[in-house]
Amino acid sequence: DTGVSQDPRHKITKRGQNVTFRCDPISEHNRLYWYRQTLGQGPEFLTYFQNEAQLEKSRLLSDRFSAERPKGSFSTLEIQRTEQGDSAMYLCASSLAVQGYGYTFGSGTRLTVV
Amino acid sequence: QKEVEQNSGPLSVPEGAIASLNCTYSDRGSQSFFWYRQYSGKSPELIMSIYSNGDKEDGRFTAQLNKASQYVSLLIRDSQPSDSATYLCAVAGGTSYGKLTFGQGTILTVHP
Repeated sequence: DTGVSQDPRHKITKRGQNVTFRCDPISEHNRLYWYRQTLGQGPEFLTYFQNEAQLEKSRLLSDRFSAERPKGSFSTLEIQRTEQGDSAMYLCASSLAVQGYGYTFGSGTRLTVV
Repeated sequence: QKEVEQNSGPLSVPEGAIASLNCTYSDRGSQSFFWYRQYSGKSPELIMSIYSNGDKEDGRFTAQLNKASQYVSLLIRDSQPSDSATYLCAVAGGTSYGKLTFGQGTILTVHP
């Protein structure tokens, strides 16, 4: 198992453009999470899936953000009409749906909106 | 009030000393507690988990949980320069069922 993979590692985009990130979780894990982290802060929850079902989405999340997990395997996170405030590290993590099971994080995608 | 709050840093300790990192949480229904270490520019990695009141030891790390006080801590014995990182406290259960809620992190520096 190669762990959680995220692609791309870095993305620079112009304000107003759409971007899409991909996450491939650990194959045995049925839960997949997206978090966002800015400098000096802890990871902020965005959304999570159990298999292909999106179980929760942060109320703070703009409708410009959407995530999918077709077939319960990889997931994509799309940000439409990017803003400078979207610049952050986007972290994907996976786990088993067992209470108390910790996450394994991917290396993250660093987004810079210019 | 933040859901998960960590002691403000940065924390600086000499090599060989005990580093003490603290965390409080607001949701009394929280059931699972985690400590993650994050090196600069890297993603968080899980170092400890604890679910029951008391202490849990793993090598140089000891996690302590007091649910009555809504308090969880991490002790690092014989601190090494390689322990220098940001330590994140995370909580699950209660209203956060299914996901982890993270604190803002405490930066630890271990100087030779």
